[in-house]
Amino acid sequence: DAGVIQSPRHEVTEMGQEVTLRCKPISGHNSLFWYRQTMMRGLELLIYFNNNVPIDDSGMPEDRFSAKMPNASFSTLKIQPSEPRDSAVYFCAGSRGHGANTQYFGPGTRLTVL
Amino acid sequence: GENVEQHPSTLSVQEGDSAVIKCTYSDSASNYFPWYKQELGKGPQLIIDIRSNVGEKKDQRIAVTLNKTAKHFSLHITETQPEDSAVYFCAAGGSSNTGKLIFGQGTTLQVKP
Repeated sequence: DAGVIQSPRHEVTEMGQEVTLRCKPISGHNSLFWYRQTMMRGLELLIYFNNNVPIDDSGMPEDRFSAKMPNASFSTLKIQPSEPRDSAVYFCAGSRGHGANTQYFGPGTRLTVL
Repeated sequence: GENVEQHPSTLSVQEGDSAVIKCTYSDSASNYFPWYKQELGKGPQLIIDIRSNVGEKKDQRIAVTLNKTAKHFSLHITETQPEDSAVYFCAAGGSSNTGKLIFGQGTTLQVKP
């Protein structure tokens, strides 16, 4: 099993540009989580899907952020327009079932917005 | 709201010594408490977890203890090795019957050879 796959691994963009981060969870993991990690705020949950349906998006910072999960094997996190304060490492994680279980994290995408 | 406090933020020990990291949580309905290890440039990886029906769990050099009454849990690493150097996160979840986890702020552990 390849584990959770995220792309790109690094992204450098200019303020105002659209950024799309991608995630492929482990097959059979029907819960998917997007996190943001910064030194100041630690690991923050942005949004959580179960069976492709958004369950909790209370952590999404503002309307500039959106996430989709069109099928069980693919999810995107989009930032439009991007701002320097969005610079962070973004992780995708997956788990089995709907309750609290082991979450398997991807390698992350390091985003830098200039 | 839900909150998990983790201490200390940094911890330095000599190789072979023990390391202890402590966490407290606010939601008394939480019933799942995992610990993650994050190495530089990688995503967090689960090293051990415990559910609320158990007070202690051990896996080789790693152990976790849970005190539900006091709402705190701890990670114990014995006979530390340089490869244990990493950032460790505790988390709490299960209260809303969803997969949501609330993470602590992390502890940077340095094991000196």
